[in-house]
Amino acid sequence: NAGVTQTPKFRILKIGQSMTLQCTQDMNHNYMYWYRQDPGMGLKLIYYSVGAGITDKGEVPNGYNVSRSTTEDFPLRLELAAPSQTSVYFCASSLPSRVHEQYFGPGTRLTVT
Amino acid sequence: EDKVVQSPLSLVVHEGDTVTLNCSYEVTNFRSLLWYKQEKKAPTFLFMLTSSGIEKKSGRLSSILDKKELSSILNITATQTGDSAIYLCAVEEKGGADGLTFGKGTHLIIQP
Repeated sequence: NAGVTQTPKFRILKIGQSMTLQCTQDMNHNYMYWYRQDPGMGLKLIYYSVGAGITDKGEVPNGYNVSRSTTEDFPLRLELAAPSQTSVYFCASSLPSRVHEQYFGPGTRLTVT
Repeated sequence: EDKVVQSPLSLVVHEGDTVTLNCSYEVTNFRSLLWYKQEKKAPTFLFMLTSSGIEKKSGRLSSILDKKELSSILNITATQTGDSAIYLCAVEEKGGADGLTFGKGTHLIIQP
């Protein structure tokens, strides 16, 4: 099992550009999450999904969109990148009965200049 | 206002020392408190605590929850340089598939 994989590892965007952060898990987990981590801060939840076709907003969803067409994939879309979106983005997944035990991907470091 | 508060935010100790990391929380429908260790990349799960007073132990790490005080501590004894990491505390609320609420973390540095 590869677990949770994320691509790309690093990206630099110009203000106003768009991009999609990819996340895939091969553990057949129904629940998937996107977090961002700013320097010196904890992780903040952007969006989550409890299954294919179902997504919901977390604490900081503004400026982002998600989709969940399959159990495995949960891409995060930035439409108009802003400097405030400079952060490290983590995707995670869990079983429904084990929300406490989330498996995290290696992260994507995004810089918007 | 932060729902999960960790202290200290950073800590530098020498190898062999014992450290205690603190986490306090304020949530409406508490289900569990989690500790994660974050080294260079992704956080990895350490402990889940749901009941007051019951210590969870894994090697030199241990943790306990105090539901009356809405807090938890994470102890690391006989620290090693490999314990250097950010330790994250998070809270899971009932009824939520909506992820975890994390504290800012304690950045622990163990000097040889």
